[in-house]
Amino acid sequence: DTEVTQTPKHLVMGMTNKKSLKCEQHMGHRAMYWYKQKAKKPPELMFVYSYEKLSINESVPSRFSPECPNSSLLNLHLHALQPEDSALYLCASSPDPWGEQYFGPGTRLTVT
Amino acid sequence: GENVGLHLPTLSVQEGDNSIINCAYSNSASDYFIWYKQESGKGPQFIIDIRSNMDKRQGQRVTVLLNKTVKHLSLQIAATQPGDSAVYFCAENGLSTGGFKTIFGAGTRLFVKA
Repeated sequence: DTEVTQTPKHLVMGMTNKKSLKCEQHMGHRAMYWYKQKAKKPPELMFVYSYEKLSINESVPSRFSPECPNSSLLNLHLHALQPEDSALYLCASSPDPWGEQYFGPGTRLTVT
Repeated sequence: GENVGLHLPTLSVQEGDNSIINCAYSNSASDYFIWYKQESGKGPQFIIDIRSNMDKRQGQRVTVLLNKTVKHLSLQIAATQPGDSAVYFCAENGLSTGGFKTIFGAGTRLFVKA
């Protein structure tokens, strides 16, 4: 298995909802990442997990909460989001921290 | 501050021609650079990388050049094909405030005319 999968592909949620984004890889990679990408903009790093420990938190608002249950899974829990949080959320993994990253297709999130 | 940016936001080339996409960076501590290709509706896809101890690296139809003196990175695509149409991002990995980071450049959209 040489890909990163993300679910759901699309998500529409209200500002009072709680939802989770999921990411999975079975390549044995030891680092996983969450990025936010707005339209026509580059991906912006949000969180990095290295060997299942949170190593980077780019001052992301607390309404985004990452979780790494094991080396293959990465979740992003969402709560009380704002309309400006609408974006494509990308998950990536790399064999070791800061190597080349392999991206999933993303979850298109719309906050209403 | 840190900046990874591109000189040309869009590039249009004829099929079969060579393409050159440029990128500037400002973090001297960056030691690893990657080019990604992002097609519509997909996540970025790794194309080629280069470490700071090299100045050139070649792949299949692609070449990355690194000029550390002027902090410049370029991606050359030979015999550009319609399938190469996408947004191309350079990214730098290196030690920055807060730890190691990956920072993406603004991106260049490549249009290939048949």
